[in-house]
Amino acid sequence: AQSVSQHNHHVILSEAASLELGCNYSYGGTVNLFWYVQYPGQHLQLLLKYFSGDPLVKGIKGFEAEFIKSKFSFNLRKPSVQWSDTAEYFCAVIPNRDDKIIFGKGTRLHILP
Amino acid sequence: EAQVTQNPRYLITVTGKKLTVTCSQNMNHEYMSWYRQDPGLGLRQIYYSMNVEVTDKGDVPEGYKVSRKEKRNFPLILESPSPNQTSLYFCASSSRGGLSTQYFGPGTRLLVL
Repeated sequence: AQSVSQHNHHVILSEAASLELGCNYSYGGTVNLFWYVQYPGQHLQLLLKYFSGDPLVKGIKGFEAEFIKSKFSFNLRKPSVQWSDTAEYFCAVIPNRDDKIIFGKGTRLHILP
Repeated sequence: EAQVTQNPRYLITVTGKKLTVTCSQNMNHEYMSWYRQDPGLGLRQIYYSMNVEVTDKGDVPEGYKVSRKEKRNFPLILESPSPNQTSLYFCASSSRGGLSTQYFGPGTRLLVL
């Protein structure tokens, strides 16, 4: 079955540290890839997305993600995190231009001031 | 302002008492869907709708019903709620299903006693 794996359930970092959150998916065909963020008490918002083209995608608030097709990965990165980045992050995949989106279980990120 | 609204935001009910959670979007989106969010399980899709009168099951449809009589509304119906349906529910909409960004509502926190 198609699935999305986020390797880290909880991550704790200090401000200014670099961040990388892993995301792997289990589908061999064409995929659309997303990262969503959910700040405490709020709904999900799109951080960035990849459909085609340059595999390095830049999103809002200094986040970027790199699509590596050979590794079935779409890792999220930020060079220097801020306290306001404390949130839960969800990777999501839509296989083969389907209409069914599959979410990972989320990574809860906590930034220490 | 473009938005997805859900009502109620918080609901406490008892086992077996039918309830409806409403969802409305003002962006003329064709695609709408319902998710439940549970700790450690991430987001799981309950039902989705490609357009008016077109609905389909997601990953966890048991115990839920939906209808799509109008483009803007997509209510979620629990005919006989049970405690295992205690969860945080999100409605989402997008213009072209998997090919575009999903916009999420603020969430409905449901407690079934």
